[in-house]
Amino acid sequence: SQELEQSPQSLIVQEGKNLTINCTSSKTLYGLYWYKQKYGEGLIFLMMLQKGGEEKSHEKITAKLDEKKQQSSLHITASQPSHAGIYLCGADNPGTYKYIFGTGTRLKVLA
Amino acid sequence: GAVVSQHPSWVICKSGTSVKIECRSLDFQATTMFWYRQFPKQSLMLMATSNEGSKATYEQGVEKDKFLINHASLTLSTLTVTSAHPEDSSFYICSASNRGIGYGYTFGSGTRLTVV
Repeated sequence: SQELEQSPQSLIVQEGKNLTINCTSSKTLYGLYWYKQKYGEGLIFLMMLQKGGEEKSHEKITAKLDEKKQQSSLHITASQPSHAGIYLCGADNPGTYKYIFGTGTRLKVLA
Repeated sequence: GAVVSQHPSWVICKSGTSVKIECRSLDFQATTMFWYRQFPKQSLMLMATSNEGSKATYEQGVEKDKFLINHASLTLSTLTVTSAHPEDSSFYICSASNRGIGYGYTFGSGTRLTVV
């Protein structure tokens, strides 16, 4: 079955610093989604990437999809305390019709 | 846009009782619904996938008799936690999908279950 491994597992950065979170799939990626969440709360959809090499940005967050490497990265520029939370990547597998999440990255931004 | 309503948003129940969580797609027909569980400091783990009118497919390690999933209509799926115990306390979230008509994965707002 497909697995999504995120790294790092947790991250603490000083406000204003840049950071990158990676999501690596054990199988071919047909699309990759990024979400932000706080435990016990709903998911905030950030971005969806569908094509290899695709890159999308929203405010200070940029995500890229490298299909060959079966990997996606999420980059936050000039982090702020409001960026703190759990970042999750998600992907579906057309073969199994399942939608799974990555292992998660907990981000803390120090003011 | 697609909206999925999940109720209740939080529930406290006594050990041994059953709790039902509802997941409704409000403006589209969901052919597939997913149920996830999340423990503190962990990611969302897929519990089961249900297709309208058929039995749910459970992930390995998920007890079918404990977590009853019903997807009787194209707009409603329910998850019933039977004979709940404190270790069932968790955050449960559903997702609805109908890829055939272009609806990807829309998530409910989740239910925080506390068993005392």
